[in-house]
Order: sequence, then C-alpha cells, then structure tokens
Amino acid sequence: EADIYQTPRYLVIGTGKKITLECSQTMGHDKMYWYQQDPGMELHLIHYSYGVNSTEKGDLSSESTVSRIRTEHFPLTLESARPSHTSQYLCASIRLEGTEAFFGQGTRLTVV
Amino acid sequence: AQSVTQPDIHITVSEGASLELRCNYSYGATPYLFWYVQSPGQGLQLLLKYFSGDTLVQGIKGFEAEFKRSQSSFNLRKPSVHWSDAAEYFCAVASLQGAQKLVFGQGTRLTINP
Repeated sequence: EADIYQTPRYLVIGTGKKITLECSQTMGHDKMYWYQQDPGMELHLIHYSYGVNSTEKGDLSSESTVSRIRTEHFPLTLESARPSHTSQYLCASIRLEGTEAFFGQGTRLTVV
Repeated sequence: AQSVTQPDIHITVSEGASLELRCNYSYGATPYLFWYVQSPGQGLQLLLKYFSGDTLVQGIKGFEAEFKRSQSSFNLRKPSVHWSDAAEYFCAVASLQGAQKLVFGQGTRLTINP
C-alpha cells in the first residue's frame, strides 16, 4: 500500500489568493513529482525533485513553485491563483532505484 | 521526444465481455511502459509494467498487456470485465534513469454496461 498523501483533496479559492498544496510520503523515496491533469486529459509533469534541495521544472510550464526541504515533503505553491490554474494536481514519488511511481489521491483545485 | 497515443477516448463494453485498450508510443530508445488506472476522484494505481523480457506481462486485477516493438504498441487486455473495472486508463512511457519522468497518453474512459 502506497503511503503518499495530498491535502487538501478539494479546494475552492478566490482569484489572487496564495495557496499551497501539500504532498507527503512516508516511504523515504528520493524522487518526487507534481503532475497537472485537466478534466479528460492526460497528466503533464510540472515539477520534479531528485532529493532534498533539488527541484526542476517539468515539461509543462507552470506558474507554481515547489520546494524540497525534507525528503518526505514536496509542497507546491501558487503565489496568486487564477482561474486558469483550475485543475487536478497529482503528486507522485519513486524510490531511488525503483521503477514504480506511487501517486497520491490528488488535489482538485478550483479558482473562482 | 517521447509521446503516447491512446486512440480511444471512451469505450463501452458489457460486463463479462473481453476488453482491449490500445496504446501506441514513440520513444527513441528501449521504452519502459506502464498502464495505470484511475478511479473517479482517486490517484493513479499501477496495473502493470514492461521493461524487458517476455513481451506479455501480467498485472493486477486480471489485466495483461503485450509489447509489440514492430507496431510500437502496448495494448491492455482483460478476458472478462467486471463492473468495478469502470475507470480511466492511462498508458505511459518513461526512462528508468535520470528523472524517470512519465509521459502519459490522453487516457481511455471505460464504461461497463450491466
């Protein structure tokens, strides 16, 4: 059973607000990822991390930022939310020599 | 660049019928291929994966997939579907070194008729 958690599960927030989506894993995995998924669409990688103090931008440009201060924690922040940020955000992790990505349940964000 | 195509956006089958979901990939080296399932409001669960060896791989929940290099395909099959199989299915390709970034197809939504 995968132990990767995302909070909140659902969030409705007004335009211009700052938000942080939380992702935590208790498996000690080094590599962590954020994917963005629009309804009925594929997942696109927006950020990833090889380990503590490592963050990289993914294939899809995003106005969000991430940090990796602790191995188990990989939060995603939007400084000023806009309606175009409305989407589902999925966090995933892989152990260093592993092959399987474990996914959290996702955060469905709606910006009004 | 890596890419994955799932030609069928939505498939409906009757319970007990067989199922095949199509996946075609484009990748410059030996592909590492995955099928994930996503139930409504949930994250993704790995069904099966292919790295090398036997081109027919078995997964969880009675699913299997066959890797065909000549056709650049990795189709998912199940001999008899259950109502609980209704979900979104994603095919993905990745490298196993470096960033191990997954590139996903658009997904196929599976509906089961009783």
